[in-house]
Amino acid sequence: GDSVTQMEGPVTLSEEAFLTINCTYTATGYPSLFWYVQYPGEGLQLLLKATKADDKGSNKGFEATYRKETTSFHLEKGSVQVSDSAVYFCAPGSGSQGNLIFGKGTKLSVKP
Amino acid sequence: AAGVIQSPRHLIKEKRETATLKCYPIPRHDTVYWYQQGPGQDPQFLISFYEKMQSDKGSIPDRFSAQQFSDYHSELNMSSLELGDSALYFCASSLVGTSTSPQYFGPGTRLTVT
Repeated sequence: GDSVTQMEGPVTLSEEAFLTINCTYTATGYPSLFWYVQYPGEGLQLLLKATKADDKGSNKGFEATYRKETTSFHLEKGSVQVSDSAVYFCAPGSGSQGNLIFGKGTKLSVKP
Repeated sequence: AAGVIQSPRHLIKEKRETATLKCYPIPRHDTVYWYQQGPGQDPQFLISFYEKMQSDKGSIPDRFSAQQFSDYHSELNMSSLELGDSALYFCASSLVGTSTSPQYFGPGTRLTVT
């Protein structure tokens, strides 16, 4: 079945550091790919998405590029802030209705 | 902008009791998804509905059932509750649910089974 492998956390960075969270997936066909973020005590928020190969999703300084050849969708940000501290989930859409397959989540802590 | 509404936000039940969770999707969204997130776990897909019909089924126990009503809200009914059912239950909605449609999540219902 479809699955996703995400870089394990926790990840601790200093403010303004560069962030990469790796994500690879296995899926039939070419699913849309999503990154969701979960702030402490809150629900899941859509961070960005890409729907086809070579698409780049971006939002709030975060970027991820749909790499079909490597089945990857790594999340990057050039300069993280304390407010970016959260758990990040990589999630391909699966099946005809696009139900999401979540990775284990990567907890990011940014220190001032 | 209106978001997905879930009620109740917190629920405490005893073993073997029943629980009903409600989800009100974003206006005009026709697809609803339910996910379960155990403590420290990633969310797991339970079930989805499109235009009031069940569209996909994931790891939903037979003790659970769900439906989507004519106003598109959905209810997740859970019976014979077990300790392991304690989790955060998320509802998400999308417009014309397909693999390209982003899902928008509600704040979740935290169910505690004692």
